[in-house]
Amino acid sequence: GAGVSQSPSNKVTEKGKDVELRCDPISGHTALYWYRQSLGQGLEFLIYFQGNSAPDKSGLPSDRFSAERTGGSVSTLTIQRTQQEDSAVYLCASSLGIAGELFFGEGSRLTVL
Amino acid sequence: AQSVTQPDIHITVSEGASLELRCNYSYGATPYLFWYVQSPGQGLQLLLKYFSGDTLVQGIKGFEAEFKRSQSSFNLRKPSVHWSDAAEYFCAVGARLNYGGATNKLIFGTGTLLAVQP
Repeated sequence: GAGVSQSPSNKVTEKGKDVELRCDPISGHTALYWYRQSLGQGLEFLIYFQGNSAPDKSGLPSDRFSAERTGGSVSTLTIQRTQQEDSAVYLCASSLGIAGELFFGEGSRLTVL
Repeated sequence: AQSVTQPDIHITVSEGASLELRCNYSYGATPYLFWYVQSPGQGLQLLLKYFSGDTLVQGIKGFEAEFKRSQSSFNLRKPSVHWSDAAEYFCAVGARLNYGGATNKLIFGTGTLLAVQP
């Protein structure tokens, strides 16, 4: 597609379950970002992938969070043993890198009961 | 590490009035600066960006922003607000890579929610 695609758009899970969120970036974009948006918290940086370089994981809030990017394209954000405080909208963005402009997906809304 | 402060959580203006949204950043060098807008139920859209050169940048929808190094600010302005401008606005700062290349980690402020009164 033409834009950044994220799935699922909505996910409701029980506390303690694992979840996977998927991001399909714009074709050809070398940079991929994950952000978390909570009410009143703005956009919290989670992780950044740039080409074949080691990812910048400095924003991951705990070791329950991990992400990978396969083949320089699709990315999966995994949250293990979900907690209620993990409830948020998880946004993925991609960019060409040099231009710097981030193109965002619609987000995956996660609700942990 | 870079950081961004948007001191106004919520602003209400009348339609037709002028608007200024404040953004202050912290970064040890000249940053890349962005303003994004998030309309209700929609994704984030880039309004404008500053990389270098002219410190007054023009964006879409009639918005402009001015980079003031001395004040570490990048305030967003619009001379006449329209009801469709009601949205949440995010300022973001990006760090330059050592070779002067692309932005890497983009740090966002907490956002300013704009309401427009008829």
